Amino acid sequence: NAGVTQTPKFQVLKTGQSMTLQCAQDMNHNSMYWYRQDPGMGLRLIYYSASEGTTDKGEVPNGYNVSRLNKREFSLRLESAAPSQTSVYFCAGGGNQPQHFGDGTRLSIL
Amino acid sequence: GENVEQHPSTLSVQEGDSAVIKCTYSDSASNYFPWYKQELGKRPQLIIDIRSNVGEKKDQRIAVTLNKTAKHFSLHITETQPEDSAVYFCAAGGTSYGKLTFGQGTILTVHP
Repeated sequence: NAGVTQTPKFQVLKTGQSMTLQCAQDMNHNSMYWYRQDPGMGLRLIYYSASEGTTDKGEVPNGYNVSRLNKREFSLRLESAAPSQTSVYFCAGGGNQPQHFGDGTRLSIL
Repeated sequence: GENVEQHPSTLSVQEGDSAVIKCTYSDSASNYFPWYKQELGKRPQLIIDIRSNVGEKKDQRIAVTLNKTAKHFSLHITETQPEDSAVYFCAAGGTSYGKLTFGQGTILTVHP
């Protein structure tokens, strides 16, 4: 039982490059979430999926897209990375249980 | 939308003292209030949560109180230990285990 697994753990991109962050859960969560964490700003919701087949914008969705591929997987895509998207990204599962977080992806955009 | 304010941003205590972190929220429809602890470089982990039909909940050295009328809730840690040093986040949600809005976090340092 791995919980919520994020890949990759670290990534460095150049401005304008694209990238997909992967998240998979084996906890039977109905809902999944993507957050970004910046110093002094807590965790801000980017996008979420309340159930399989649905996605909704959170607080800071600009520059991102998501795909809820199935109940287990929820990916986050940066189409054209910008330095302002340098952050730590956390995926979480929840909906029928308290939210449980993955280990995070540290993303740097140069 | 929901707005959660958390204070203080940093808190320094001596080992054995108590620590209190306070949060206020804006949306009266919020009814679920979890607290997360995040150690340096690690994931946030749930330490305690409370629903709006309960005023207080306790788990060993940790307790959470909720005042729905005033729209504020607090985390109380008694007999603090150096391993309690971490960043603590409060959050508020409109439905149990659903979408959450987080506070900005409190860096707690417990000095031996």
